[in-house]
Amino acid sequence: GNSVTQMEGPVTLSEEAFLTINCTYTATGYPSLFWYVQYPGEGLQLLLKATKADDKGSNKGFEATYRKETTSFHLEKGSVQVSDSAVYFCALRSEYSTLTFGKGTMLLVSP
Amino acid sequence: GAVVSQHPSWVICKSGTSVKIECRSLDFQATTMFWYRQFPKQSLMLMATSNEGSKATYEQGVEKDKFLINHASLTLSTLTVTSAHPEDSSFYICSARTGATNYGYTFGSGTRLTVV
Repeated sequence: GNSVTQMEGPVTLSEEAFLTINCTYTATGYPSLFWYVQYPGEGLQLLLKATKADDKGSNKGFEATYRKETTSFHLEKGSVQVSDSAVYFCALRSEYSTLTFGKGTMLLVSP
Repeated sequence: GAVVSQHPSWVICKSGTSVKIECRSLDFQATTMFWYRQFPKQSLMLMATSNEGSKATYEQGVEKDKFLINHASLTLSTLTVTSAHPEDSSFYICSARTGATNYGYTFGSGTRLTVV
């Protein structure tokens, strides 16, 4: 079956530091890949997505590239801000339209 | 954009009682809604898929008689945890597909259930 593995948190960074949150997946076929973000007290929001190999999703300074050869979709940001503190979920969608999530990685950014 | 309103945000109930969680699509019609459960430090686990006007489809291992899902209209789906026990304490979150594509999922803000 499908599965998503992402690095455990919390990830603690200082403002303006470089961020990488690793995500690898196992899936049959050609899934679409997503990163969702959950800010404190809010629901999940789609951050970015990629639908095929070598696609790069980007939004709000965050990027992730769909790497089929390494089955990875690592999330990166060049310079994090305090407001980026949240829980980040990597997810994939199979051809049957259900989402499979990773466990989530909490990011804490200090001033 | 599309908004899914979920409430209550948190609820504490006694063992043996039932709790209803509502999920409403505010500015769109959701023919399909999904209910997830999240244990501490675990991933979101799909519990069931709710289709308007028909019975929900439950994932393996989810007790349909314990977690009653009703999707009576295009804007409302409810999850009722019946005869709750402490092990049902968890974070429940709903989502709805907002468009024709498979990328348009909008999530509710979640409900923290604590059974004492």
